[in-house]
Amino acid sequence: EIVVTQSPGALSLSPGERATLSCRASQSVDSTYLGWYQHKPGQAPRLLMYGSSNRATGIPDRFSGSGSGTDFTLTISRLEPEDSAVYYCQHYGNSPYTFGQGTKLEIK
Amino acid sequence: QITLKESGPTLLKRTQTLTLTCTVSGFSLTNPGVGVGWIRQPPGKALEWIALIYWDDDKRYSPSLERRLTITKDTAKNQVVLTKTNVDPADTATYYCAHRQTDSYGRVGPFDIWGQGTMVTVSS
Repeated sequence: EIVVTQSPGALSLSPGERATLSCRASQSVDSTYLGWYQHKPGQAPRLLMYGSSNRATGIPDRFSGSGSGTDFTLTISRLEPEDSAVYYCQHYGNSPYTFGQGTKLEIK
Repeated sequence: QITLKESGPTLLKRTQTLTLTCTVSGFSLTNPGVGVGWIRQPPGKALEWIALIYWDDDKRYSPSLERRLTITKDTAKNQVVLTKTNVDPADTATYYCAHRQTDSYGRVGPFDIWGQGTMVTVSS
């Protein structure tokens, strides 16, 4: 089973700043099967990125993803107040489709 | 437009059986490549994938929960049903169902459309 670890656990930044969120897998993952989700309280999780670097439908280009092997990154440039949420990475290639423990992003 | 909606009991007692239903619309559970998964989130904790069923009835389960889980689908009713036996307070969570699609090249996709979730509380 692939274990996915995210860092940092929490992040507090100001509007307009850049956020860099890290996701590390316990073994190499095909980047085709690495995704990122945004989850706000009381809402359904929302797919942000798939295939490591492809934005899902309707996701603004402030969001970008990169990485390969065991290390992946979600970057949010020009932070806006509505970006406040918990962000999860997930590998979804082979079962079990494990999520990381999440990074909580607070916009000051 | 693809939508998914979860339904089920809000309160259970320890050792009872939990049955959750995901009613889908905008796609057929028999469409090649379609999958519907269940993901849960205990209060204050992370998302946890627990089960998945594909259009061809292929099934996947979380190894830690597999012994107590069953996932089935009713294509006539457009429903996916998750059953978990012998629940305990650790099963208290919001349960989500979500859609995924395998493309024509055989590449599985992420969970792209999610339901709003249903909260289940298990008392001791």
